[in-house]
Amino acid sequence: QTVVTQEPSFSVSPGGTVTLTCGLSSGSVSTTYYPSWYQQTPGQAPRTLIYNTDTRSSGVPDRFSGSILGNKAALTITGAQADDESDYYCVLYMGSGSNWVFGGGTKLTVL
Amino acid sequence: QVQLQESGPGLVKPSGTLSLTCAVSGGSISSSNWWSWVRQPPGKGLEWIGEVYYSGSTNYNPSLKSRVTISVDKSKNQFSLKLSSVTAADTAVYYCARDAGTAAPGRFDWGQGTLVTVSS
Repeated sequence: QTVVTQEPSFSVSPGGTVTLTCGLSSGSVSTTYYPSWYQQTPGQAPRTLIYNTDTRSSGVPDRFSGSILGNKAALTITGAQADDESDYYCVLYMGSGSNWVFGGGTKLTVL
Repeated sequence: QVQLQESGPGLVKPSGTLSLTCAVSGGSISSSNWWSWVRQPPGKGLEWIGEVYYSGSTNYNPSLKSRVTISVDKSKNQFSLKLSSVTAADTAVYYCARDAGTAAPGRFDWGQGTLVTVSS
């Protein structure tokens, strides 16, 4: 079974820029996987940030952006703020049968 | 704006069946969306369980398919999850979510989640 890979953890300085990635254990991520990104703080439900590769969900600041970088999907946070400290999950659409597969998540620390 | 609310027993015995319902408000379950269940074991990541369309069509995670049933009740504007033969590994927060489908693939609107513990 294909595994969706994410960095387990990442840190960024306040005001800095960070790029989190979402890959496949075998193969390259493309827009046909509809990569999407979710932010989750402890005890809260996930919140959709980016869907369909690069579309920001309603109310999401434009400092969050999605793209394809090389063979992975990417979430870039520009001008990181303290309240961006969260877990970030990506999901890929694997087609009929498996449908959506989540990555293991990245714990982002802002310090 | 659609809102989703999970409900069901918070404690299920091993080998029993976990049953949850998701009530949809602020929108019709008969709209062109898929309705999903996602779970998260304590301290771990998200796992997609499966989804149902208002017509009753379903898709399931292959790793859970033999134990999962997701159904829709249009008259009550809600959908449900049943997971059979549960073990402690099924202890998790269970989220229901609306998947906007082909109009906006990957855009999930989430319920607040409900913790289900499997224990005797």
